[in-house]
Amino acid sequence: EAQVTQNPRYLITVTGKKLTVTCSQNMNHEYMSWYRQDPGLGLRQIYYSMNVEVTDKGDVPEGYKVSRKEKRNFPLILESPSPNQTSLYFCASNPGPGLAGYEQYFGPGTRLTVT
Amino acid sequence: RKEVEQDPGPFNVPEGATVAFNCTYSNSASQSFFWYRQDCRKEPKLLMSVYSSGNEDGRFTAQLNRASQYISLLIRDSKLSDSATYLCAVNKVNRDDKIIFGKGTRLHILP
Repeated sequence: EAQVTQNPRYLITVTGKKLTVTCSQNMNHEYMSWYRQDPGLGLRQIYYSMNVEVTDKGDVPEGYKVSRKEKRNFPLILESPSPNQTSLYFCASNPGPGLAGYEQYFGPGTRLTVT
Repeated sequence: RKEVEQDPGPFNVPEGATVAFNCTYSNSASQSFFWYRQDCRKEPKLLMSVYSSGNEDGRFTAQLNRASQYISLLIRDSKLSDSATYLCAVNKVNRDDKIIFGKGTRLHILP
């Protein structure tokens, strides 16, 4: 089954404790992205990657890191989480350039609470 | 003007009615347009893609108006299960080569 998986699905942590949210896709997509979704603010892109070893900042990259060492994986790293990073996080992938290439497929989401 | 803008709603519509909502976009060079459905606390799921003037899939019709820079989503014979938030998305035409999402329109179908 074609899918994007994220782990963990739920995470409660404390300020300053480094964490990683994993993301993996099995569709051989070139592009992958991380979003956060907050009430009233919609989906905001954190980072995106257009290929292995190619990453770029989205609209809200502060406090986050990513890496793309393999095509299928795109982990999101919070080096020192803070309460304002409490949010619902989605990983997404899409094929790449071209009209249909922008069709995004989302993971199930990770609900993060930082206390 | 915001890059992608939607009326947040909520739209409260009786079951069986037809409902339509629009999404405006600011970049006239955009070529790819999408409607996503998002249920509460779930991931957005692609509902329809629009590359030319429009697209139809069962009870759902999406149309593109390039002159006025908006896309619309029409739902006919609405069902209770259509209650959700509908997000539109537009490709951003510059070096970034990515998608911009609207904040979504909430739809409640009333029994």
